[in-house]
Amino acid sequence: DVKVTQSSRYLVKRTGEKVFLECVQDMDHENMFWYRQDPGLGLRLIYFSYDVKMKEKGDIPEGYSVSREKKERFSLILESASTNQTSMYLCASSFLGVKQYFGPGTRLTVT
Amino acid sequence: AQSVTQLGSHVSVSEGALVLLRCNYSSSVPPYLFWYVQYPNQGLQLLLKYTSAATLVKGINGFEAEFKKSETSFHLTKPSAHMSDAAEYFCAVRPETSGSRLTFGEGTQLTVNP
Repeated sequence: DVKVTQSSRYLVKRTGEKVFLECVQDMDHENMFWYRQDPGLGLRLIYFSYDVKMKEKGDIPEGYSVSREKKERFSLILESASTNQTSMYLCASSFLGVKQYFGPGTRLTVT
Repeated sequence: AQSVTQLGSHVSVSEGALVLLRCNYSSSVPPYLFWYVQYPNQGLQLLLKYTSAATLVKGINGFEAEFKKSETSFHLTKPSAHMSDAAEYFCAVRPETSGSRLTFGEGTQLTVNP
């Protein structure tokens, strides 16, 4: 069974801090995704990666960057956290793109 | 570009009643369509998917959805709601030719009353 894990379930950071959210999948999937989930807005794609060291911007990349140095790991970086980045962050992976497998999410609060 | 609209951010039904969650899509090419469910404090799980085979798709937990091209709809139904169905449900679309990224709807919170 595919497993996608995220480094933290809950995270509290201060405005201006650099924040790293880590995601690891154990099924050798090429594709990995970072979404943020906000009430009434559904899931919005921040960045995705279709291979090691490859990345593409999603719909809302501003204020974020990503890193994929190894196939199983996809990191989301908030260079300077702001209060409007308080949200639930979901990581997903897929093989051949038909089904995405999601991690449990990280609820980030920026104060 | 593709998009998804879920009609009704909150739906409330009684236990044993029909569940109907609405999803309409727009896509310039034949789409793949998905329904995901999110239980409290969890990530999303795939309920079912349409990938241009049979238009009536059966998923897990007794849910099914019908792809209607003429109505650009992919509504999710379950004949008899159970308390454990209370969750948030997301419809998503991916154009058949687009690679792997999905576009999600805004979500529908389903409440099941005893």
